[in-house]
Amino acid sequence: DTAVSQTPKYLVTQMGNDKSIKCEQNLGHDTMYWYKQDSKKFLKIMFSYNNKELIINETVPNRFSPKSPDKAHLNLHINSLELGDSAVYFCASSHGQGVGETQYFGPGTRLLVL
Amino acid sequence: AQSVTQLDSQVPVFEEAPVELRCNYSSSVSVYLFWYVQYPNQGLQLLLKYLSGSTLVKGINGFEAEFNKSQTSFHLRKPSVHISDTAEYFCAVSLIYNQGGKLIFGQGTELSVKP
Repeated sequence: DTAVSQTPKYLVTQMGNDKSIKCEQNLGHDTMYWYKQDSKKFLKIMFSYNNKELIINETVPNRFSPKSPDKAHLNLHINSLELGDSAVYFCASSHGQGVGETQYFGPGTRLLVL
Repeated sequence: AQSVTQLDSQVPVFEEAPVELRCNYSSSVSVYLFWYVQYPNQGLQLLLKYLSGSTLVKGINGFEAEFNKSQTSFHLRKPSVHISDTAEYFCAVSLIYNQGGKLIFGQGTELSVKP
């Protein structure tokens, strides 16, 4: 069983469209994250949720809206996609509040905006 | 603010040779330190982490790292690499008193092991 899964794996879309990426973890973790990895492989945190509550919201455009329907799921919705949104998006999860904890990453969603 | 610098963007090495991947960090407050590995087209996987205690930390796949507080470094080492170690390696820090477990990553080091 995959611990942290993301769908879709690949996403190719036009500028201006709205798209969603789904993430699910079956590890029983309380904290979930979204990271963005750019073309130079630099990783930056976007959001963190603990038990469905938003904990971290880095300086991410309002076009990005995370939603956590329950603590096993953290979805990412992106409105009005721009070329600069092209990247690999990773979901991750960890125990407790997350501080000092190991983060378990999903396989990534490769988003290409044309 | 905290930052992480990985001093080498690419490290080519021959199989069975030793390797050291260098990581320095900057922070005015105490941090936890991590090394993650990313194999091609996969997510990240924890190699090892330093939270407290012994400054020499052993991880998976024969890797180890040493925390040096005075030099604010956390270099990763392996005495003998295999072809299968070819991957991107990321050093990261998180604040000890940070709610939410935010990881701040370095730029990554591409380890390429040649036969």
